[in-house]
Amino acid sequence: DTGVSQDPRHKITKRGQNVTFRCDPISEHNRLYWYRQTLGQGPEFLTYFQNEAQLEKSRLLSDRFSAERPKGSFSTLEIQRTEQGDSAMYLCASSLGDRVNEKLFFGSGTQLSVL
Amino acid sequence: DAKTTQPNSMESNEEEPVHLPCNHSTISGTDYIHWYRQLPSQGPEYVIHGLTSNVNNRMASLAIAEDRKSSTLILHRATLRDAAVYYCILRVNYGGSQGNLIFGKGTKLSVKP
Repeated sequence: DTGVSQDPRHKITKRGQNVTFRCDPISEHNRLYWYRQTLGQGPEFLTYFQNEAQLEKSRLLSDRFSAERPKGSFSTLEIQRTEQGDSAMYLCASSLGDRVNEKLFFGSGTQLSVL
Repeated sequence: DAKTTQPNSMESNEEEPVHLPCNHSTISGTDYIHWYRQLPSQGPEYVIHGLTSNVNNRMASLAIAEDRKSSTLILHRATLRDAAVYYCILRVNYGGSQGNLIFGKGTKLSVKP
């Protein structure tokens, strides 16, 4: 069990550039979540997938953000035209089983810095 | 979103028990109480969850008040590795559909040797 893997660990970009992050969940986990965390705050829910279907997106999620999980395995999160306010830790989590009792397994995150 | 209230920070001594409180006065009958913790430079980690009865696992115990308006996470013997931010989360049940885990700011636990 290699756990949830996120790549890259760190990303520095200039304002206006596009960035893409990748998440590899634990094998056979059918649900995958994206969260964002800024310093001193708890993680903020962004979106989640069940298999390849994106079932929910946060109302706070800008149109510049898009996530995919094309084959129900790995997922990508793309941010277009980055802004300084996008600087945060982006966390991915995966889970298996019913939602009532699911346990989310988080990766170590991708730290984004927008200059 | 359901709200929980936790102290911003707590201190403990190594090898002593730690009781981390959480208030959730707006809880509904089908909302589960979840606890996660986040060690420095890592993603959150599941600790324990429960509905009505007290729960025990290898990491911790969860004591839930009879009226369910509060709960306490109990670490039986704190170690230095338990220093982390602990999040108490209400997982709201929307008429059979589970809401997402909504994290607050949590309690930062410091453990002194």
